[in-house]
Amino acid sequence: EAGVAQSPRYKIIEKRQSVAFWCNPISGHATLYWYQQILGQGPKLLIQFQNNGVVDDSQLPKDRFSAERLKGVDSTLKIQPAKLEDSAVYLCASSLVGTLNEKLFFGSGTQLSVL
Amino acid sequence: SQQGEEDPQALSIQEGENATMNCSYKTSINNLQWYRQNSGRGLVHLILIRSNEREKHSGRLRVTLDTSKKSSSLLITASRAADTASYFCATRRQAGTALIFGKGTTLSVSS
Repeated sequence: EAGVAQSPRYKIIEKRQSVAFWCNPISGHATLYWYQQILGQGPKLLIQFQNNGVVDDSQLPKDRFSAERLKGVDSTLKIQPAKLEDSAVYLCASSLVGTLNEKLFFGSGTQLSVL
Repeated sequence: SQQGEEDPQALSIQEGENATMNCSYKTSINNLQWYRQNSGRGLVHLILIRSNEREKHSGRLRVTLDTSKKSSSLLITASRAADTASYFCATRRQAGTALIFGKGTTLSVSS
């Protein structure tokens, strides 16, 4: 079974530029998550989708971050404009339906450096 | 916000030794999960323990849960160099919500 695919693997941009990340979850997984992981910390949830609807985006900085999951499959996360503090690894994860005991499957992440 | 806090932050041991890391959490939970993250990679699920379980085993992993103390521990027996990674505990407040991760313990196993 193919895992969660993310691209690009690495991205270096200057502050105030825009950037987009792409995620393709495991086939059939209805729930998709974007997490931000700053160096030395645990993943922090940015947004959770159930199919193509948003379940939780309470920690998404909506003035600069946006995310969509058209057709309930692939998802993109965009930052515009980027700040220095956005330097982090952006992890995409998926799960079957989002029930209480489900485990998450993670992609390898996109490492973003904002200069 | 972080729900779990792992302890210690970093742990260095020799191959063959056991490694124990602890996780404390704040609110009541239904289950607790442990994940491993190798450097530069995504997280991989290791084991899940339900709130009505006190101990669970999977290969060289042993997880305990003490809901009265709101804490869990992960024991890796007979550590190998390949166990070098960061380990995170994670909890979910209710069905349909996302997992909340702790800050992690970085384990280094030297040969």
